[in-house]
Amino acid sequence: GQNIDQPTEMTATEGAIVQINCTYQTSGFNGLFWYQQHAGEAPTFLSYNVLDGLEEKGRFSSFLSRSKGYSYLLLKELQMKDSASYLCAAMDSNYQLIWGAGTKLIIKP
Amino acid sequence: GAVVSQHPSRVICKSGTSVKIECRSLDFQATTMFWYRQFPKQSLMLMATSNEGSKATYEQGVEKDKFLINHASLTLSTLTVTSAHPEDSSFYICSARPMEGGGWETQYFGPGTRLLVL
Repeated sequence: GQNIDQPTEMTATEGAIVQINCTYQTSGFNGLFWYQQHAGEAPTFLSYNVLDGLEEKGRFSSFLSRSKGYSYLLLKELQMKDSASYLCAAMDSNYQLIWGAGTKLIIKP
Repeated sequence: GAVVSQHPSRVICKSGTSVKIECRSLDFQATTMFWYRQFPKQSLMLMATSNEGSKATYEQGVEKDKFLINHASLTLSTLTVTSAHPEDSSFYICSARPMEGGGWETQYFGPGTRLLVL
């Protein structure tokens, strides 16, 4: 079956770095997405990886290893506004998104 | 970036009534739109995939006669919750995939509609 695993909750300190991991198993693979979702709001797109390696975009970076079925989202210089849920989603061979349950990130001063 | 709107943002209705939610892609055309439901502290649950000009594809366990989806144009899809009951209270989110061009794989989300059925 198809499955996405990511930690339920993580806590980090303002100004620090945090890495949120995601492993996936899908029927075929057409890319890995990361979305940010603040409480009570819809998800917003953060990144898309389809090739192996690290994609850097400002304070956020996303990494993909297709052979390992593994991705991570790296957040640097954490700010209080980064407190949110981070959703990992893999696109299968039918171009459907398979969603993880999300990782709630708590930032402490 | 691509913008998707939803209307209404919040609705309260009585049990047994029907509620229509609109999803519009404002600055791009979308042949495919998706409808999700999200319960508190849970992840997104795909309800159905809506393709312009054809019938929607519903996920297992989602009643197509209860959740009516119409995708009449390349910029508008509607979800109607018929005979709503309190257990239908949830956060309904639509997303749209651009028809062509760079980033076509990406889904852009609307702001969501919070439905409360009394």
